[in-house]
Amino acid sequence: ILNVEQSPQSLHVQEGDSTNFTCSFPSSNFYALHWYRWETAKSPEALFVMTLNGDEKKKGRISATLNTKEGYSYLYIKGSQPEDSATYLCASNNYGQNFVFGPGTRLSVLP
Amino acid sequence: NAGVTQTPKFRVLKTGQSMTLLCAQDMNHEYMYWYRQDPGMGLRLIHYSVGEGTTAKGEVPDGYNVSRLKKQNFLLGLESAAPSQTSVYFCASSYLDRFTDTQYFGPGTRLTVL
Repeated sequence: ILNVEQSPQSLHVQEGDSTNFTCSFPSSNFYALHWYRWETAKSPEALFVMTLNGDEKKKGRISATLNTKEGYSYLYIKGSQPEDSATYLCASNNYGQNFVFGPGTRLSVLP
Repeated sequence: NAGVTQTPKFRVLKTGQSMTLLCAQDMNHEYMYWYRQDPGMGLRLIHYSVGEGTTAKGEVPDGYNVSRLKKQNFLLGLESAAPSQTSVYFCASSYLDRFTDTQYFGPGTRLTVL
């Protein structure tokens, strides 16, 4: 079973700050990586699906990069807003295996 | 579209009791999944289905059974509940490719086993 790690476990930033966090996954036989945004009392919602080394995806102020050779993905939030407060999950899978979710990074944006 | 719905939202059981959680999706998705979410841990896959009439074990299948008699429904059963099964259960579905298609999640069921 894959071991997917995320860091930091939690962080607090001020409104307007930019921030980033990391998802680490086994690089051998990598197939796909997903990022989800999970607000308290709601369901996880998809942000990005990434498959190619060097891939970069963007949605508004949020972007993500992927390095499949070294086994990590970064999620960036530019100019954080209070509504960005959520837990950000990544999930990775290798060929023939099911997705494994990381424990998440809990982001709090202070006004 | 309602998306993915789960019934019930909350449930309290005594040790040894049984129950069934219902997941329904109206997006004509082939794949459906059951996860459990525990504090400090990521979502862990219990069972999944790649289509009507099929089921397969995930990472933590012990103590659970599932059925997918209709494409839109995926049932999760606990035959004899244990306190270790206290958790929040999430159902999800995806369209055709279970590795690259986005998973759509239900609102969750909070289960407490006393």
